[in-house]
Amino acid sequence: SAVISQKPSRDICQRGTSLTIQCQVDSQVTMMFWYRQQPGQSLTLIATANQGSEATYESGFVIDKFPISRPNLTFSTLTVSNMSPEDSSIYLCSVVSPGFSGANVLTFGAGSRLTVL
Amino acid sequence: AQTVTQSQPEMSVQEAETVTLSCTYDTSESDYYLFWYKQPPSRQMILVIRQEAYKQQNATENRFSVNFQKAAKSFSLKISDSQLGDAAMYFCAYRSSSGSARQLTFGSGTQLTVLP
Repeated sequence: SAVISQKPSRDICQRGTSLTIQCQVDSQVTMMFWYRQQPGQSLTLIATANQGSEATYESGFVIDKFPISRPNLTFSTLTVSNMSPEDSSIYLCSVVSPGFSGANVLTFGAGSRLTVL
Repeated sequence: AQTVTQSQPEMSVQEAETVTLSCTYDTSESDYYLFWYKQPPSRQMILVIRQEAYKQQNATENRFSVNFQKAAKSFSLKISDSQLGDAAMYFCAYRSSSGSARQLTFGSGTQLTVLP
């Protein structure tokens, strides 16, 4: 399966600032996905990053708050803008890659843990 | 909309013993996929096992197996010969066979502790 590198792995941020998270994949992929995992909760899809077009956002997430870039087929960034303590979460990048028995499954990066003070 | 329910927020098991994690889901579809993901303290989400709804045979991956009961909409994970490295948060997930990967629905997770 694909190998995904995310950075930063963790950061502590001040309220009102913005932080960009980078996601690098070791193979070319059509779609990259950004998830949020709030403390003690499950994963929620933020958006799908498409190469060559604007990202597709899920309900409750907007481009102004979570701008996404996808300059090529192996890289994407997610920015968390104008952060507040409610944005303290783990942000995970994922891609679809071959898994068991050759079927395509979601593969995740290790996540970026953001703490907003 | 599909929902995935994990009713056990926490479970513990003695090393070398067997533990079963529960998952139920709600869907009106007949064809779909079910997954168990593991998230250890390192936060790396790892796919543990995958089941296609059209297959009657339960999926097995080494010490991990599932009990898939389609009529009951139940998809439990059995871990045999538990090891300390199995300690993690386990998420059950659902995806429609007609949907894209973005339509993966996760349960709330079960924190598994393995006792030495």
